[in-house]
Amino acid sequence: DAGVTQSPTHLIKTRGQQVTLRCSPISGHKSVSWYQQVLGQGPQFIFQYYEKEERGRGNFPDRFSARQFPNYSSELNVNALLLGDSALYLCASSFSGGGYYEQYFGPGTRLTVT
Amino acid sequence: AQSVAQPEDQVNVAEGNPLTVKCTYSVSGNPYLFWYVQYPNRGLQFLLKYITGDNLVKGSYGFEAEFNKSQTSFHLKKPSALVSDSALYFCAVRDISERPDYKLSFGAGTTVTVRA
Repeated sequence: DAGVTQSPTHLIKTRGQQVTLRCSPISGHKSVSWYQQVLGQGPQFIFQYYEKEERGRGNFPDRFSARQFPNYSSELNVNALLLGDSALYLCASSFSGGGYYEQYFGPGTRLTVT
Repeated sequence: AQSVAQPEDQVNVAEGNPLTVKCTYSVSGNPYLFWYVQYPNRGLQFLLKYITGDNLVKGSYGFEAEFNKSQTSFHLKKPSALVSDSALYFCAVRDISERPDYKLSFGAGTTVTVRA
């Protein structure tokens, strides 16, 4: 079975621009979470979606938004990019929104803001 | 609030020797604990989890971890390390007593180097 897929792999943007990152979960998984991993740090929680509804967000500004589609794929949007948004953005899927299910991560999208 | 500490930035061992990566956690209630491994330019790969029951959990690739509630620790272990185990290891916690309980909090990671 295919794992979590993300696109694009790499992205270079200029400050002030907007970016959209995409994620397809493992087949049968209904929950998608987004994490930001800055170099040298562990992943930081941004959003979780379950059954197309936002279940919560981490400590990120309103420039960050996301949505989940009927096929459970998801997009993460970041507006007005700042240099500090440069990071690896990870998408994770799980069977349900909580409980004891582990999350499976995609390879990530490396975003560089210049 | 939930948090994870990985006290060692780096761990260096010789191939064939035991490997231990340390993790301590802080939660208000009961924890679910996870270990992930990250290879260069890759996403995180799930190794194992502790939910309930036996304190010794066995996972992928010969890894195991021991949950110790009194010491709030969840150390990752492998009896005989391989060069291919060289990677970045993350411990993560979810506080199931909080609502919502879906958020994973990660440690800063420990870089493991296994020398031949």
